[in-house]
Amino acid sequence: AQSVTQLGSHVSVSEGALVLLRCNYSSSVPPYLFWYVQYPNQGLQLLLKYTTGATLVKGINGFEAEFKKSETSFHLTKPSAHMSDAAEYFCAVRGPPPGKLIFGQGTTLQVKP
Amino acid sequence: DAGVIQSPRHEVTEMGQEVTLRCKPISGHDYLFWYRQTMMRGLELLIYFNNNVPIDDSGMPEDRFSAKMPNASFSTLKIQPSEPRDSAVYFCASSFGQGGGANVLTFGAGSRLTVL
Repeated sequence: AQSVTQLGSHVSVSEGALVLLRCNYSSSVPPYLFWYVQYPNQGLQLLLKYTTGATLVKGINGFEAEFKKSETSFHLTKPSAHMSDAAEYFCAVRGPPPGKLIFGQGTTLQVKP
Repeated sequence: DAGVIQSPRHEVTEMGQEVTLRCKPISGHDYLFWYRQTMMRGLELLIYFNNNVPIDDSGMPEDRFSAKMPNASFSTLKIQPSEPRDSAVYFCASSFGQGGGANVLTFGAGSRLTVL
């Protein structure tokens, strides 16, 4: 069965510090993995995705994530946090069936000045 | 394209009333999803459609909830009768195609429902 576990419901970093949001997955098929971001009072939007090929994927706003099959992980990183990065971040894995997307519980990122 | 359009953005109603939430997906998208978001339960998939046909409604909480997609450009989520525990933000999302493309969802801004 497909599932996603996000470690830490709240992460707080200082502006300029490294951002690391953790995601582990379980998948019965080769995984397609996604990170979505939700800003206050908005819907979710895609940050980046991994389907096949290069295991390090780059997304918008300077974020990137690395697919590690041996660790069943897809952690999200950004070298230097900006105040505008404060939001909720969701990791997700493709179902079966392929159209279905299973989301983790979300991690709220706080950026302190 | 104007994106996924949801209405109403906010709805306040009393327990027992019928609530209808509406969604217009992006033109050309063949998948449509309804999600519910609460503080306690996070983001839950309620139901999704492919080419207007319901594929998986296992997330629909109970018979009080129903969803329809009469054509490719419109879907409704109905709650009848509504209860206070239905208070949540309901998101509609759409996507296109198979493979990874099918999971690149475009979300609407959400409908915030409050049931008193």
